Amino acid sequence: GDSVTQTEGQVTVSESKSLIINCTYSTTSIAYPNLFWYVRYPGEGLQLLLKVITAGQKGSSRGFEATYNKETTSFHLQKASVQESDSAVYYCALGVDRGSALGRLHFGAGTQLIVIP
Amino acid sequence: DMKVTQMPRYLIKRMGENVLLECGQDMSHETMYWYRQDPGLGLQLIYISYDVDSNSEGDIPKGYRVSRKKREHFSLILDSAKTNQTSVYFCASSWDRGTAEVFFGKGTRLTVV
Repeated sequence: GDSVTQTEGQVTVSESKSLIINCTYSTTSIAYPNLFWYVRYPGEGLQLLLKVITAGQKGSSRGFEATYNKETTSFHLQKASVQESDSAVYYCALGVDRGSALGRLHFGAGTQLIVIP
Repeated sequence: DMKVTQMPRYLIKRMGENVLLECGQDMSHETMYWYRQDPGLGLQLIYISYDVDSNSEGDIPKGYRVSRKKREHFSLILDSAKTNQTSVYFCASSWDRGTAEVFFGKGTRLTVV
């Protein structure tokens, strides 16, 4: 089946430092999946942070970037300089929009980002 | 203002009671979802609805049923709740049947005691 792995349950970074949150995926589909990063701020629902639906492309939003690497099956989230307001839970997700998997997202366990002022 | 609204936000029920979680969206979205999230796990799909009365099981449908009689509303029903159904439940919706643009509600925290 399809799955997403986020190895870090929690990441602590000092304000203005760089960030990387790791995400790898696995799919049995012959089609390349859509890849997403969602963010959940305290008391809020999940919000789409960025998405990439073409292998090899990079997505970016609010200073965050992620590159869809089909060779390493990775989609790591990076930011050059984090702010305290970036503290949230970040979820990597995969979607294969064909066949019986149509419309179904598969999520990683999430990474809690704590930014220390 | 496009949004997915979940009611209630917090709920405590006794084991064996029936539970109704409600979800509404104001975007006339075709597809709606119910996910649950447990500590240390990603969101898991319970049910997906492609339109009124067109529902399909997700990855963990056992112990749940759903109802969609209007495009704007999607209900999750737990008949005789169990303690292992304590979780945070998220409703979501999307314009079409794909995953490219899915909007999530704020979640309902259900505790079954």
